[in-house]
Amino acid sequence: KAGVTQTPRYLIKTRGQQVTLSCSPISGHRSVSWYQQTPGQGLQFLFEYFSETQRNKGNFPGRFSGRQFSNSRSEMNVSTLELGDSALYLCASSLAGHSSYEQYFGPGTRLTVT
Amino acid sequence: QQPVQSPQAVILREGEDAVINCSSSKALYSVHWYRQKHGEAPVFLMILLKGGEQKGHEKISASFNEKKQQSSLYLTASQLSYSGTYFCGTVDSWGKLQFGAGTQVVVTP
Repeated sequence: KAGVTQTPRYLIKTRGQQVTLSCSPISGHRSVSWYQQTPGQGLQFLFEYFSETQRNKGNFPGRFSGRQFSNSRSEMNVSTLELGDSALYLCASSLAGHSSYEQYFGPGTRLTVT
Repeated sequence: QQPVQSPQAVILREGEDAVINCSSSKALYSVHWYRQKHGEAPVFLMILLKGGEQKGHEKISASFNEKKQQSSLYLTASQLSYSGTYFCGTVDSWGKLQFGAGTQVVVTP
């Protein structure tokens, strides 16, 4: 079974630009979550999508948005990039939702904002 | 609100034991534990559900005190492969999973 894939793996953007990250979950998984990882901050929850609907959202500004398609693939968009957005962005998929199902993480997209 | 993990870091010799604690200020539905090795994605270790059910596939045990909203992960007879950063994740009644800042574990020969 193929794992969670994320594209691109590395990205360098300039402050003020926008970026779109993509995540393909494990086949059959309907829930996709996004996390921001920075040194010392651990994994910060961004949002969770289930069957194309945003089910939960973390405490991030509106510049961070996402969506999920009918095939469960998900995209995350960050507009008006700031230097502080530099981080590893991880997506994770699960069969149904957070509560009772393990999350399978992708390798992440390393975003650098200059 | 993120759960609080302690300690932040621990150094062990092979064969020694360690406990990692995770606490939340909110009522919890379940607790997740993951381990992340340097340069790799976090990997699932265990889920502890309200009511006592546990799901996991590693030889690492954990406990979940629902009343105190606390969980502990027990690393027993540690092996070199146990090195990594351990994250607890707590799920509230809304189904939101939030992770702590992590506990770095280093196991030395």
